[in-house]
Amino acid sequence: SQQGEEDPQALSIQEGENATMNCSYKTSINNLQWYRQNSGRGLVHLILIRSNEREKHSGRLRVTLDTSKKSSSLLITASRAADTASYFCATDPGSGGSNYKLTFGKGTLLTVNP
Amino acid sequence: DSGVTQTPKHLITATGQRVTLRCSPRSGDLSVYWYQQSLDQGLQFLIQYYNGEERAKGNILERFSAQQFPDLHSELNLSSLELGDSALYFCASSVGAVGWYGYTFGSGTRLTVV
Repeated sequence: SQQGEEDPQALSIQEGENATMNCSYKTSINNLQWYRQNSGRGLVHLILIRSNEREKHSGRLRVTLDTSKKSSSLLITASRAADTASYFCATDPGSGGSNYKLTFGKGTLLTVNP
Repeated sequence: DSGVTQTPKHLITATGQRVTLRCSPRSGDLSVYWYQQSLDQGLQFLIQYYNGEERAKGNILERFSAQQFPDLHSELNLSSLELGDSALYFCASSVGAVGWYGYTFGSGTRLTVV
């Protein structure tokens, strides 16, 4: 079952515009991570935000986390055609042991048109 | 190149057959995770090994098994294959027993069962 759910499922924008993707989750987390996947390829880790952080930046990426609403957003500024990919949020429950697993949502497919 | 190596990249086999997928983690990483990605189920966690021992288990079918060897490479064995097992199988690795700094993914093995 998916812990994180991304919204929207698909997003199409023009080059230079900003893209915002949202993620909602159900249970408490230690951290939340965002990954990118180009078509049929492996996932690439983009950014990690811990439960005690509210905002984090990495280059053109900005991630926010609202633990009271159990939601996160990923903003990509000044998008490029090369940003076209699926974006996944993944929630980390923070406890080790046999129940530990990083759980992924179904992703947002971002298309950036040149 | 992420540093996580998966072989083979593509595999086509018939129903009822058995296959072995191989993963070499990034140098220095002790944990290996296996995920299955299909269009309808998304990314599903299968199993984790840490330093040679099973650490966590997800929705892995009884027909599937895995192990991690002393050199830390891992193999995922899929037997009595069914059409529904067709999917992308990803291996990921992390330094510790939990992925608190993110996972590094391989490029995946695309399994097609005919």
